[in-house]
Amino acid sequence: EVQLVQSGTEVKKPGESLKISCKGSGYSFTNYWIGWVRQMPGKGLEWMGIIYAGDSDTRYSPSFQGQVTISVDKSISTAFLQWSSLKASDTAMYYCARRESETDAEYLQHWGQGTLVTVSS
Amino acid sequence: SSELTQDPAVSVTLGQTVRITCQGHSLRIYYASWYQQKPGQAPVLVMYGKNKRPSGIPDRFSGSNSGNTASLTITGAQAEDEADYYCDSRDSSSSHVLFGGGTKVTVI
Repeated sequence: EVQLVQSGTEVKKPGESLKISCKGSGYSFTNYWIGWVRQMPGKGLEWMGIIYAGDSDTRYSPSFQGQVTISVDKSISTAFLQWSSLKASDTAMYYCARRESETDAEYLQHWGQGTLVTVSS
Repeated sequence: SSELTQDPAVSVTLGQTVRITCQGHSLRIYYASWYQQKPGQAPVLVMYGKNKRPSGIPDRFSGSNSGNTASLTITGAQAEDEADYYCDSRDSSSSHVLFGGGTKVTVI
């Protein structure tokens, strides 16, 4: 069974750094892209970026380029999303998801349970 | 333009049919995928590609495409279908991924 298990809830202060994780299991981790999605309170889904676990090829949405860093550690089948200096506006639920690719379709079939990040002074 | 547009909300009478649409230039090139999200839960894939349903998704869900519009239809809506629905697709101009703004479906 494919599973993506994310790290737990975080409460941080503005200016602090943070790295959240997404551990894949039940499949060949290095053969897939892992994407990150933000959902601010009461709002819709926003695509942040994606990383290919096999070679760390990373693509950022223009809205998030320079704001976050996406990385992967193949040895522990885990993808990461990190911030160097959090802002209150980073308060959101963050989801990882595995991107599937077929001849005529790309989609996110397997999702993590989400990591809630709260940034408040 | 790099956008996917959805109606913010629709309502449907229990047992009736509702169609949710997603419009965008990229949909002339790429198929949309559709996700259902209930409060406090992670999104769930309900439709992808050319009218493909993942295992476990009821056959009352169907998809279609025409020009720059993708549609998700629920035929015989049930109370448990009340949720937010999001479309996504590749952006035709940049290869980034786009999400629509979401449609809240209320079953009355």
